[in-house]
Amino acid sequence: GEDVEQSLFLSVREGDSSVINCTYTDSSSTYLYWYKQEPGAGLQLLTYIFSNMDMKQDQRLTVLLNKKDKHLSLRIADTQTGDSAIYFCAEISNDYKLSFGAGTTVTVRA
Amino acid sequence: GAVVSQHPSRVICKSGTSVKIECRSLDFQATTMFWYRQFPKQSLMLMATSNEGSKATYEQGVEKDKFLINHASLTLSTLTVTSAHPEDSSFYICSAVRSRTETQYFGPGTRLLVL
Repeated sequence: GEDVEQSLFLSVREGDSSVINCTYTDSSSTYLYWYKQEPGAGLQLLTYIFSNMDMKQDQRLTVLLNKKDKHLSLRIADTQTGDSAIYFCAEISNDYKLSFGAGTTVTVRA
Repeated sequence: GAVVSQHPSRVICKSGTSVKIECRSLDFQATTMFWYRQFPKQSLMLMATSNEGSKATYEQGVEKDKFLINHASLTLSTLTVTSAHPEDSSFYICSAVRSRTETQYFGPGTRLLVL
């Protein structure tokens, strides 16, 4: 996880947008992923982006990729209380292993 | 599709005993399964890669005699923590893929507490 960095905490008001940022180091990663983990649960794949794309939108989720800066972000529109969780970004290596960031804990306040 | 289960979800055992954790792909055949360990408030650490019908590949620093992995079929991999000690207490998560190039789908995790 040392090669993938994320901010650790984000607090957002219900209804606002959340933006979670991530930087990675492996420029050869073909895909970059966002996973969500709720307390005591496994990881749920939220979305992913192919490395030759700049943006991907999926309902309330928007992923932006800046390959030059190796920067990935996840925007959650109209954040709800059910979005409170830990969000992990991950890059995939040439041997198809995932490297995760430390996770960003998102807290949604009323 | 792409559902992965783990059993048990939670286990408490005495120090010195062995514990087996199962990872199953319920609706697809998984040529490869991965085993991760997660400490509280930390990221996932890859322990080993398990390929059906062959020996697992362990990451550096992971004791293969301590964490025995068997991938006997395309839908089942098991992780056995042998002679468990309190420092083995952790959250163990598996993931499965149809092929190495595809997205990993994760199980719900197994919480192990060794007393």
